[in-house]
Amino acid sequence: GQNIDQPTEMTATEGAIVQINCTYQTSGFNGLFWYQQHAGEAPTFLSYNVLDGLEEKGRFSSFLSRSKGYSYLLLKELQMKDSASYLCAVRPPMDSSYKLIFGSGTRLLVRP
Amino acid sequence: DAGVIQSPRHEVTEMGQEVTLRCKPISGHDYLFWYRQTMMRGLELLIYFNNNVPIDDSGMPEDRFSAKMPNASFSTLKIQPSEPRDSAVYFCASSFLFRAREDTIYFGEGSWLTVV
Repeated sequence: GQNIDQPTEMTATEGAIVQINCTYQTSGFNGLFWYQQHAGEAPTFLSYNVLDGLEEKGRFSSFLSRSKGYSYLLLKELQMKDSASYLCAVRPPMDSSYKLIFGSGTRLLVRP
Repeated sequence: DAGVIQSPRHEVTEMGQEVTLRCKPISGHDYLFWYRQTMMRGLELLIYFNNNVPIDDSGMPEDRFSAKMPNASFSTLKIQPSEPRDSAVYFCASSFLFRAREDTIYFGEGSWLTVV
């Protein structure tokens, strides 16, 4: 089975840096995704990791350690518009299923 | 390109009524997913299709729920009879291949269902 854990809520200040952690226990692994979801809207793709290490995309970076079952999303130079939920999702091995299993999400509040 | 299109965006219905949610995936995508999102349970996969064929429906809550994909550009999710606990946001999503390294899924805007 799959189990994905994220903190429920986080608060940070505009201009600061915030790290959102995700741990997973899955029977097999074929990639980890981060999605952003603003209130009342659909989730949108942010990043993808399949190998260990850091992937950087502008103000957002995502890190993966497969041996530890651990990922984090790093948001730099926070802006008010970054207030949203951030969903961690794991893709099972390709020989078993083509679906994403989502964590419950972390609600991030950015304050002035 | 148009994204995933869902209808209706909002629906309020009475308990016991039939509800039909509709989805048009992104053209050319061969995977279609139905997810349900609630505060308590987060985003749950209900069923997914590959080339119009249901592959995994293990997430469908019970027999009251059914999904079809009669062609590559249309899918429906039906709830009959509906119950208040079915109140949630239902997302349709689609993907191309979803086997390549970075293929991800793209979500529609969701159908907000309230059963009273």
